[in-house]
Amino acid sequence: DVKVTQSSRYLVKRTGEKVFLECVQDMDHENMFWYRQDPGLGLRLIYFSYDVKMKEKGDIPEGYSVSREKKERFSLILESASTNQTSMYLCASSLWGVNTGELFFGEGSRLTVL
Amino acid sequence: GQQVMQIPQYQHVQEGEDFTTYCNSSTTLSNIQWYKQRPGGHPVFLIQLVKSGEVKKQKRLTFQFGEAKKNSSLHITATQTTDVGTYFCAGFRTNDYKLSFGAGTTVTVRA
Repeated sequence: DVKVTQSSRYLVKRTGEKVFLECVQDMDHENMFWYRQDPGLGLRLIYFSYDVKMKEKGDIPEGYSVSREKKERFSLILESASTNQTSMYLCASSLWGVNTGELFFGEGSRLTVL
Repeated sequence: GQQVMQIPQYQHVQEGEDFTTYCNSSTTLSNIQWYKQRPGGHPVFLIQLVKSGEVKKQKRLTFQFGEAKKNSSLHITATQTTDVGTYFCAGFRTNDYKLSFGAGTTVTVRA
């Protein structure tokens, strides 16, 4: 089975702190994604990557950056956390293809920014 | 704003009844996927539709993709307590190659 592992299930940070959310997948998938999930808004795409060292902005990239130095790892970085970034963050991966196939999600990282 | 609209946001269903959730996009979609998220869990893939007018069934679940590839629906018959959760549609946009999720329909079931 595909496994997508997110490093932290729950984090509490202070405004202005730098935050790293790590995601690792074990099925050699080319595509990796970061979404945030908020009540009433569903899942919104922050960044995605189709290959190592490659990144593309999603629909809400402001305030975030990403890093993909290795195929299996995709990191989301909040340079200076703000309270409006309090959310559930979901990482996902999928096999290569222009018409992205099934997404496999991690368990999520719930971030609270005080 | 949300590029894939999903209605209703909430669906309260009597056990045994049917219901439908709808998904609409302002742009043509290459494909559409449906996911289910149980309370406290993460989204899990249910199905993908690719062809115009496509209909697929999974037991009590029927999925449709519109002829114009801009809308989709999920119909559940004889709802059971195991159907509780949030159902998301996700459309792959042909104009920018991004997978965009709807806001989800949260289903509760009255026994």
